[in-house]
Amino acid sequence: DIQMTQSPSSLSASVGDRVTIACRASQDITPYLAWFQQKPGKAPRPLMFAASSLQSGVPSRFSGSGSGTDFTLTITSLQPEDFATYYCQQYKTYPFTFGPGTRLDIK
Amino acid sequence: QVQLQESGPGLVKPSQTLSLTCTVSGGSIGSDSYYWSWIRQHPGKGLEWIGYIHDTGSTYDSPSLRSRVAISLDTSKNQFSLKLSSVTAADTAVYYCARALKDAGVGAFEIWGRGTMVTVSS
Repeated sequence: DIQMTQSPSSLSASVGDRVTIACRASQDITPYLAWFQQKPGKAPRPLMFAASSLQSGVPSRFSGSGSGTDFTLTITSLQPEDFATYYCQQYKTYPFTFGPGTRLDIK
Repeated sequence: QVQLQESGPGLVKPSQTLSLTCTVSGGSIGSDSYYWSWIRQHPGKGLEWIGYIHDTGSTYDSPSLRSRVAISLDTSKNQFSLKLSSVTAADTAVYYCARALKDAGVGAFEIWGRGTMVTVSS
C-alpha cells in the first residue's frame, strides 16, 4: 500500500494568514493526488484533484502543487470557514489511501 | 444535482453482517462514466477506502477487508450496497458512499453522501 503522510498534524493560524500543508507519498503518485476539507460531523468536501485542479465552487484562495511524492495545499488569506481538517489522498494505486489529516485551528 | 444518501442499521451485533445501501438521486447509477465507492472513518480518525463497483458489475475491494466485503449494484432502484461480514468493534465507523468520474480517475471521489454511523456492539 502507498503510505501517505501529512505535516503538520495540526496548525493554528489567524484569519487573513497564508498557510501551507504538506503531503508526502511513499512512492510516485503523480498526478493522482486529491485534497479534501472536512468539518466536524460533515462528509469530506473535495477541494482539488490531479494535485492542482480546483473543484467547481472551491474558492481560488485554495491552490495545490507538487509532483512525484511531495505535494502541498496552500490557502491564502484564511477565512473563518476554512478552519477544518484537511486530508490528502492518492488514487494512483489500489488500495486508495488517505493521509492522517491536518487540523487547522483558529489562533 | 446528484446526491447520495446512505441508509441502514445504526447498530450491528458482533459477528453479524453490516448492510448499508446508498441511494443515488438526480442521476443514473447505470452509467459507464462512474465508479461507486464505500469509504469509512473510524471515530476521530482518518479515512479508509473500502471498495468500489462499476455499473458493469466489476468490483475492487481493499485487500485488508476483501475477505469480508461484498459490494453490489441495483440499477432498477438506483442504489448500490455494502455488506461487511463478521463485524467486530473495530468496524464501528461512519460509512460514506461516494462517486468517482471515470475520466478523472476511479478514486477521485467528487461527490459524497452525508455518511451514516454504524456501531458494532452487543
